[in-house]
Amino acid sequence: KNQVEQSPQSLIILEGKNCTLQCNYTVSPFSNLRWYKQDTGRGPVSLTIMTFSENTKSNGRYTATLDADTKQSSLHITASQLSDSASYICVVSASSPDFGNEKLTFGTGTRLTIIP
Amino acid sequence: DTGVSQDPRHKITKRGQNVTFRCDPISEHNRLYWYRQTLGQGPEFLTYFQNEAQLEKSRLLSDRFSAERPKGSFSTLEIQRTEQGDSAMYLCASSPQRQETQYFGPGTRLLVL
Repeated sequence: KNQVEQSPQSLIILEGKNCTLQCNYTVSPFSNLRWYKQDTGRGPVSLTIMTFSENTKSNGRYTATLDADTKQSSLHITASQLSDSASYICVVSASSPDFGNEKLTFGTGTRLTIIP
Repeated sequence: DTGVSQDPRHKITKRGQNVTFRCDPISEHNRLYWYRQTLGQGPEFLTYFQNEAQLEKSRLLSDRFSAERPKGSFSTLEIQRTEQGDSAMYLCASSPQRQETQYFGPGTRLLVL
């Protein structure tokens, strides 16, 4: 069964500090891995998307890494801001032999709270 | 605003009633997805459209659920005879092609009393 596990479940850090969120997956056959940010009561917003051949990708203060051998990914947030408070969801896509659909497996997310 | 829009944003209904949600994807995105998200969980896939064709439905989509995308543009998700367990956020996403980023709408939060 395809699974995506994230840790920690929740995290509280001071404004300005850095943090790293973890994602482990067992999804096969792997296609790509995405990190989404979801504010409370809103839809997820894409941060990064990485394919098998990419091991790091940045989007401003967000840097995602991917180790396809160990099936692990991390999302590093630098110089956190109050607006970074949100849930961060790791999503892994599996290739589908059927026409069209790719199968996404979502993690349960890490709830990040930035305090002033 | 050219993002994915959903209507209504919130819906409160009594058990046994029917509800219908609408999703307007980003213009020219031919792929449209419906997800359900309960509190503290990640989104769960419900169904997927390629243009007007519904290509896949999750086992989560019981007979009480039906989705349509008649002209390959907007989509509707109907829940008949709602149950309290249907209370969740219903998210719609669209993408231009396979493996491209899915852009999510703001969601419709359903509460079944």
